[in-house]
Amino acid sequence: DAGVTQSPTHLIKTRGQHVTLRCSPISGHKSVSWYQQVLGQGPQFIFQYYEKEERGRGNFPDRFSARQFPNYSSELNVNALLLGDSALYLCASSPGTEAFFGQGTRLTVV
Amino acid sequence: GQNIDQPTEMTATEGAIVQINCTYQTSGFNGLFWYQQHAGEAPTFLSYNVLDGLEEKGRFSSFLSRSKGYSYLLLKELQMKDSASYLCAAPLGGQNFVFGPGTRLSVLP
Repeated sequence: DAGVTQSPTHLIKTRGQHVTLRCSPISGHKSVSWYQQVLGQGPQFIFQYYEKEERGRGNFPDRFSARQFPNYSSELNVNALLLGDSALYLCASSPGTEAFFGQGTRLTVV
Repeated sequence: GQNIDQPTEMTATEGAIVQINCTYQTSGFNGLFWYQQHAGEAPTFLSYNVLDGLEEKGRFSSFLSRSKGYSYLLLKELQMKDSASYLCAAPLGGQNFVFGPGTRLSVLP
């Protein structure tokens, strides 16, 4: 069975640009969450979606947005990129309590 | 507020035992997770404690004391492949996890 898949795996963007990251959950999982992990730190919660509805939002600016599609896949959008947005962006899906993480998208803003 | 604390780095020798501590302060309690994360890879699930006591799973065990807001991960018979970051995490509801900073464990030959 395929795990959580994220695309792209690596991305380089310029300050001020926008970016869209994609995530496909494990088949049957309806909940998708997004995390930002800066080098050397633990992941920080950004969003959770369940059945296409936002169920939670972390302490991130409005430049960050997300959505979930009818097939439960999800997109994370970040506008007006800053250097500080450089991080590993992790997507996790869940059938209940335990979270299963994808490999992440490494975003570098230059 | 929500806060999870753990040491940032630890070093141990192959074949030894190491204990990674985690203290937490959360407004509610829905259990405590431990994840392993190798450099550049996704976090992978190790253990979940919701009741006090020790949960053993092969070479890895996890302990929880809810009254003390304290957990630890015990790794026995350390192997070189155990060199990784170990993340302590508390779910706040749904899939909103609060993670600690991670403990980077280096296993030396």
